[in-house]
Amino acid sequence: LAKTTQPISMDSYEGQEVNITCSHNNIATNDYITWYQQFPSQGPRFIIQGYKTKVTNEVASLFIPADRKSSTLSLPRVSLSDTAVYYCLVGDPRDNQGGKLIFGQGTELSVKP
Amino acid sequence: KAGVTQTPRYLIKTRGQQVTLSCSPISGHRSVSWYQQTPGQGLQFLFEYFSETQRNKGNFPGRFSGRQFSNSRSEMNVSTLELGDSALYLCASSLGLGQTNYGYTFGSGTRLTVV
Repeated sequence: LAKTTQPISMDSYEGQEVNITCSHNNIATNDYITWYQQFPSQGPRFIIQGYKTKVTNEVASLFIPADRKSSTLSLPRVSLSDTAVYYCLVGDPRDNQGGKLIFGQGTELSVKP
Repeated sequence: KAGVTQTPRYLIKTRGQQVTLSCSPISGHRSVSWYQQTPGQGLQFLFEYFSETQRNKGNFPGRFSGRQFSNSRSEMNVSTLELGDSALYLCASSLGLGQTNYGYTFGSGTRLTVV
């Protein structure tokens, strides 16, 4: 499973767009990129998953350049409730590692009023 | 649609005791994974069950064990508790092995404190 590197923490203000970048230089051909969000004392929550280019859902966008060695999670117009830890994971959904998700240290996002 | 349910929510145990935690996955989900989360080590994979069989196991001592029932509900047991076992234990479920397009759904966890 490819190792990921993210900033340890980020600060933002309400209403701003936040971009969190994740580096995964050793990503394999069959690997997907998945982002999770975690609030204190709760389990991580799936945000978005992608393989290449751009993926958008009602919560966020995920930008993946052609070389796939990094990815950027974009949160539009954040609010105080977006204060959480964000994890970037890389792995092949179809391999026999199954549920063995490898979580890095994550990025602690703090949104201020 | 009900989410992943973990019970109990909080637990306090004494060193040397054993504990059993329960996880009910989303209806229809057949894969259940367990994770331990501590401030020092972060989120670490314990094991995964699919169709009542353990499919993957993390690097934890044999004191940590689990099982899955025919209805996909899962339990994990920790014997001879140590202070270092104090953690948030999380359960995650998915339709099958591997990440689906919607990833894994986690429960809110069981906060275990060993004193």
